[in-house]
Amino acid sequence: EAQVTQNPRYLITVTGKKLTVTCSQNMNHEYMSWYRQDPGLGLRQIYYSMNVEVTDKGDVPEGYKVSRKEKRNFPLILESPSPNQTSLYFCASSLASGRLSYNEQFFGPGTRLTVL
Amino acid sequence: GDSVTQMEGPVTLSEEAFLTINCTYTATGYPSLFWYVQYPGEGLQLLLKATKADDKGSNKGFEATYRKETTSFHLEKGSVQVSDSAVYFCALSHIRSGGSNYKLTFGKGTLLTVNP
Repeated sequence: EAQVTQNPRYLITVTGKKLTVTCSQNMNHEYMSWYRQDPGLGLRQIYYSMNVEVTDKGDVPEGYKVSRKEKRNFPLILESPSPNQTSLYFCASSLASGRLSYNEQFFGPGTRLTVL
Repeated sequence: GDSVTQMEGPVTLSEEAFLTINCTYTATGYPSLFWYVQYPGEGLQLLLKATKADDKGSNKGFEATYRKETTSFHLEKGSVQVSDSAVYFCALSHIRSGGSNYKLTFGKGTLLTVNP
């Protein structure tokens, strides 16, 4: 089954304790991205990756790191989590679009993170 | 920068009622427009899309028409069902040649509850 998986689905942690949220897709997609969803703000992009070893900042990258060592995986790393990073996180992936087309972005089920 | 404004809701309807969720956007050039749906506890799924002016996207009885003159992409359904209860997000994206960030810019989401 074609899908984007995220782990863990729920995580409660404390300020400053490093954590990683994993994202994996089995569709051979080039493009992957992380969003956070906050009440009243919708979804905002954190980081994205156009392909292996190619990553760049989105709109709200502060406090996050990513890596893309393999095409299928795009982990989100919080080196020193803070309470303002409490949020619902979504990973998404798609084929790279051509100039006049759009390839659907597939979203993972989400990771609910609470930082105390 | 790009932005999307949508009816915030919540919207509560009875089964078989007519649904409209308003969405307007601000963007340079000619973005593609989307409606995503998020069912409880799940990730986002693409509901429909339109990639140029006057295009009508449709799926599962939902429709939306890309109106460039009014910069709008309102979601409509003639007869809602209890199973349509979800959060609906309007979004836009720019298609860039040569590959770039296919970031989706989302509205804040509209919670729809359909009662039997």
